[in-house]
Amino acid sequence: DVKVTQSSRYLVKRTGEKVFLECVQDMDHENMFWYRQDPGLGLRLIYFSYDVKMKEKGDIPEGYSVSREKKERFSLILESASTNQTSMYLCASSPPGTSGSGEQFFGPGTRLTVL
Amino acid sequence: QKEVEQDPGPLSVPEGAIVSLNCTYSNSAFQYFMWYRQYSRKGPELLMYTYSSGNKEDGRFTAQVDKSSKYISLFIRDSQPSDSATYLCAMSHPGAGGTSYGKLTFGQGTILTVHP
Repeated sequence: DVKVTQSSRYLVKRTGEKVFLECVQDMDHENMFWYRQDPGLGLRLIYFSYDVKMKEKGDIPEGYSVSREKKERFSLILESASTNQTSMYLCASSPPGTSGSGEQFFGPGTRLTVL
Repeated sequence: QKEVEQDPGPLSVPEGAIVSLNCTYSNSAFQYFMWYRQYSRKGPELLMYTYSSGNKEDGRFTAQVDKSSKYISLFIRDSQPSDSATYLCAMSHPGAGGTSYGKLTFGQGTILTVHP
């Protein structure tokens, strides 16, 4: 059974803290993605990675960075958390885009609250 | 204007009703069309996908794509309380991201409640 796991379901941090969100997939997928989901705005792509040590900006990369040192792990970093980064964060993975529809498999999400 | 537009609802229907969920899009390069279902406090999971135009049926669910109108639909027959969830449409094209990285463009999601 395919699986994407995220390190925390709920997280509460203070303004200015550095925050790490971890994502691990066991499907040997090349592509990994970080989204945030907010009411009325849907899923917005923050960053994605198509290979180890490779990363590309998504639609809303400001205030975030990512790290992919191993194929199965993709980390999202909030360098200095702010209240407007309070959101649901979703990680996803997919096989190479040439292999089909590009179906993405999602983790359960991390609900981050920044106080 | 967003590339993909989806009415966020919320939509509330009685059990047994036929539900119609829709998305419009502006990018004619989209070729793969998907519907994801997201239960409360869970990640989205793929419900159905369709390549190019046409219909696809899976049990009580039917996905339709009309590329000429840039319009896709998901129909749910005999809706059940267990269908209560947020439904997200998503689309992709082979050249997304400059190469085939499998980027998807999502609609905002429609919140559906089926009450007994």
